Amino acid sequence: DAGITQSPRHKVTETGTPVTLRCHQTENHRYMYWYRQDPGHGLRLIHYSYGVKDTDKGEVSDGYSVSRSKTEDFLLTLESATSSQTSVYFCAISETSTGEQPQHFGDGTRLSIL
Amino acid sequence: SQKIEQNSEALNIQEGKTATLTCNYTNYSPAYLQWYRQDPGRGPVFLLLIRENEKEKRKERLKVTFDTTLKQSLFHITASQPADSATYLCALDNTDKLIFGTGTRLQVFP
Repeated sequence: DAGITQSPRHKVTETGTPVTLRCHQTENHRYMYWYRQDPGHGLRLIHYSYGVKDTDKGEVSDGYSVSRSKTEDFLLTLESATSSQTSVYFCAISETSTGEQPQHFGDGTRLSIL
Repeated sequence: SQKIEQNSEALNIQEGKTATLTCNYTNYSPAYLQWYRQDPGRGPVFLLLIRENEKEKRKERLKVTFDTTLKQSLFHITASQPADSATYLCALDNTDKLIFGTGTRLQVFP
């Protein structure tokens, strides 16, 4: 299995609080992604990174920010959490950006915003 | 609009039969299509990739077809086993990103 660790695995917090999720990889892959998975919507891309300090928005980026200060770590921050951000969040990594290479996923963070 | 459709209803089959899952898409022109397996509480795991110029790809009991004219991929599991029970996701590439379908849940009964 690809070395991807997400933390925390579960979190419950209140509306309006800041939340940071961490993704750590040991594969030295250039590309890292944050997705959210909700019933009926499947996996939707929030933000992605193509190198240290290089990030870009995905399909559902509003309300989220990311940072990548080291190759191995990609952080997802909810500056002021809302109930609509209750979801399961997955981090993924890949060697290239094209669909020619698979993405490898962590086991997710289940986030509940009350 | 762009869409990827997988059967949202669960597919229930008997052990030993062949399971066939469908992935249809509209308004995309992917060069690659991927299939993943997802178990409850876990992240998706990559299974197979097929290129637009390939009609069929096989890996052990798995077979994927890709018809760019019909805009459809079929995913087959032959001699299915209860351990194959999971949700299966298709994904296609679109401008250097993967777009995922919502997945189809497969249940294999002994």
